[in-house]
This record gives sequence, C-alpha cells and structure tokens, in this order.
Amino acid sequence: AQSVSQHNHHVILSEAASLELGCNYSYGGTVNLFWYVQYPGQHLQLLLKYFSGDPLVKGIKGFEAEFIKSKFSFNLRKPSVQWSDTAEYFCAVNVENQGGKLIFGQGTELSVKP
Amino acid sequence: EAGVAQSPRYKIIEKRQSVAFWCNPISGHATLYWYQQILGQGPKLLIQFQNNGVVDDSQLPKDRFSAERLKGVDSTLKIQPAKLEDSAVYLCASSLDNTVEAFFGQGTRLTVV
Repeated sequence: AQSVSQHNHHVILSEAASLELGCNYSYGGTVNLFWYVQYPGQHLQLLLKYFSGDPLVKGIKGFEAEFIKSKFSFNLRKPSVQWSDTAEYFCAVNVENQGGKLIFGQGTELSVKP
Repeated sequence: EAGVAQSPRYKIIEKRQSVAFWCNPISGHATLYWYQQILGQGPKLLIQFQNNGVVDDSQLPKDRFSAERLKGVDSTLKIQPAKLEDSAVYLCASSLDNTVEAFFGQGTRLTVV
C-alpha cells in the first residue's frame, strides 16, 4: 500500500534557524507531491506542490521543497524560520490517475522559539 | 472567495449515538472529499465525490458511516452508531476537479464519550 513517512514528529527551533523537514513516500509510479500547513486553530493550507518540471519548487512564505525521485523524497526547507512559522506541517502524495485522493504523512509539529 | 464551510465545529456525543456533519464546498468545485484525522495522525480519506457520484469509498466503514452529496453541492457525513474510536477531526475538502489541489475546511472535532 502507498504510504508517506515524515521523519520528525516534533521539531523545536529558534528564530532565524534553518529548517528541513523530511518526507518519503512509497510508490514507484508517477506522483504529485504537496506540503500543507496547519496554523493553530486554522484549516489546512497549501504551502507548495510539485506536479512536474523543475524538482525544486518554491511556495508561499519563503518555503521550498526538492523532489528527489531516486530517493522517493520531497523535503521541505526554509533558510530562516520565524515565530509565525509555528504550525503543523503535512506532506501528502497523490498518485496520478487514481483521482484526487491525498495520502498524508503523520505530520510534523514545528515550534519556533522567539 | 469563500472557503469550504463545515458545521458544527465541535460535537460531543455518547457512544452508540448518531451524529451528522455538514459541508458546503467552494462554489463550482466538482470534487468533494471527507477525511478523518485522528489525533497524532495525518488525515485519511473516507470518501470522495465527483459531483454527486461516489468515486472512492474504499476506506469508509460502511457498517456505521454514510455520506451523501445531493445535487452535487453540499454534503453530509453521518455516523450511526458512534464508537469511541470515531473521536477525530472530520475534514471536508473540495477541488475544481480531481487533478488539482484541494482546499480544506476547518473541520468538525468529534469527541465520543
């Protein structure tokens, strides 16, 4: 069965530190990849997505992610985090030609200390 | 643009009772999804509609869960009877079609006691 694995359950950083959240998926076919963010008390929002083309994708709020097909990975990065980045981050995969269903990882809670 | 609307935001019921959740997707979105998010886990798809037809309900516990999307717009998700393990946040999402990203509502937090 397809699955998505996020390496860290809880990450604590100080402001201005660099961030990298790991995401690996298990599926050998064509996939579309997403990172969603959920700020406290708010709904899930799309940070960025990869469908095809340049494997380095840029999203909102200075986030970027790199798709490495050979490693089945789609890690999220930000060079300098802010207190307002405190949130839960979810990696998700959509298998092409299987409808719009998203398979989510378990999420990573990011806490940024001011 | 108005987002995906869900109600209620919170619900507490006793086990074996029934409960229903409502979702109004973004106007014009043909695809509607219901996800279940148990504490500490990522959302898991329960059912996907394309207009008013079911596309995928393979992970819906059909002995107790049901969902409908009459007229291809609003949708309701029902649980009858509820079990303790149904405690979760129920998320509704919609997309223009099933090939683009989905927009999520704020969810309904269900507690079964």
